[in-house]
Amino acid sequence: GQQVMQIPQYQHVQEGEDFTTYCNSSTTLSNIQWYKQRPGGHPVFLIQLVKSGEVKKQKRLTFQFGEAKKNSSLHITATQTTDVGTYFCALHTGANSKLTFGKGITLSVRP
Amino acid sequence: NAGVTQTPKFQVLKTGQSMTLQCAQDMNHEYMSWYRQDPGMGLRLIHYSVGAGITDQGEVPNGYNVSRSTTEDFPLRLLSAAPSQTSVYFCASSYSRGAGGYTFGSGTRLTVV
Repeated sequence: GQQVMQIPQYQHVQEGEDFTTYCNSSTTLSNIQWYKQRPGGHPVFLIQLVKSGEVKKQKRLTFQFGEAKKNSSLHITATQTTDVGTYFCALHTGANSKLTFGKGITLSVRP
Repeated sequence: NAGVTQTPKFQVLKTGQSMTLQCAQDMNHEYMSWYRQDPGMGLRLIHYSVGAGITDQGEVPNGYNVSRSTTEDFPLRLLSAAPSQTSVYFCASSYSRGAGGYTFGSGTRLTVV
């Protein structure tokens, strides 16, 4: 079935630096969702992208869906310690649209 | 609205014991799912449901049973607990096809000794 790859699994940045991570697929995706999980917490839905080339912003977070709908990116401008956590991309697969997650990238921010 | 409520928050089981993890949502969501989260493995789908009376297997269903007799409840049953089932379990729900994203419960941390 369809899968998404998130590499690397960990990234460390200095507070104030920008951060970009990618979610890649070998097949065309119908949509992609992004979630954030704080340490010790549960995943929280951030955004869904559906259209080719779509860009959505949430404050310092910018989400983009690739033109070919095979990848998506999350960009954080001027990271803060509150951005610490694991960011997952997820996609709907199958006739019943079950939600399948990538393995996530864990972001740590040095103050 | 309480959202998605999972009980218990923590549980320790002995190998071979059975138990049920409870999940309830009060948002009238059609879709409900169970995931397990293990270090380095992300969130893996165990079972899911697209409505009352309808369930299907996910990626890692072995050792688990589910039923969906009402829209609100989606319990996960461990038939005979094994140490490999030590994990954090999350229940999640969504409107049809999850266009608005899934809402997750706060999780159950299960240890099997």
